[in-house]
Amino acid sequence: QVQLVQSGAEVKKPGASVKVSCKASGYTFINYGISWVRQAPGQGLEWMGWISVYKGDTHYAQKLQGRVTMTTDKSTSTAYMELRSLRSDDTAVYYCARDQDYGSGRLDYWGQGTLVTVSS
Amino acid sequence: DIQMTQSPSSVSVSVRDRVTITCRASQSIRNYVNWYQHKPGKAPKLLIFAASSLQSGVPLRFSGSGSGTDFTLTISSLQPEDFATYYCQQTYNTPYSFGQGTKLEIK
Repeated sequence: QVQLVQSGAEVKKPGASVKVSCKASGYTFINYGISWVRQAPGQGLEWMGWISVYKGDTHYAQKLQGRVTMTTDKSTSTAYMELRSLRSDDTAVYYCARDQDYGSGRLDYWGQGTLVTVSS
Repeated sequence: DIQMTQSPSSVSVSVRDRVTITCRASQSIRNYVNWYQHKPGKAPKLLIFAASSLQSGVPLRFSGSGSGTDFTLTISSLQPEDFATYYCQQTYNTPYSFGQGTKLEIK
């Protein structure tokens, strides 16, 4: 069965960086993309961006450009999302989700979420 | 960026009720809408894609309709496990924005 298992909760200080991992299993990793979505406390869902596992193409939300990097490691079927220059409003649960290879936005399987807390 | 406006933001409903949630896009997005169910502490679950296609494994009581700017998610007979927050998402243009959510509460 398809599973996406994310790394554990993180606490970071403002200005620091965080890197969240998402290990995929149960399907052919390179045939799909991975999108990242976050949810701040009491807020709705926010799409952050997408990466094509096969080609490595990325597309990031404009508001995060310059601070976010999405990568994958095909040898371990793991996707990563790094967010730099953290601010308090980056406090959120971060989800990875399986997308189509061309980044359709149709997110059919999701990880369990990783809570990132940014606090001094 | 395309804005997605959902209504209502919350609603009190009973088991076996018929529930309709609407989503309006700020511009025409053809049928590029997905619907998700989200329960606290759980991962979101894809229910409907391309406005009206039922995701595999999703019960038939869920259905979606609409095109252009106006979309609807309908639950024909609400079950206890359906109490959750529901989100629409447009995938016509990036950023793939979500609506603000509709929370179904027990009446």
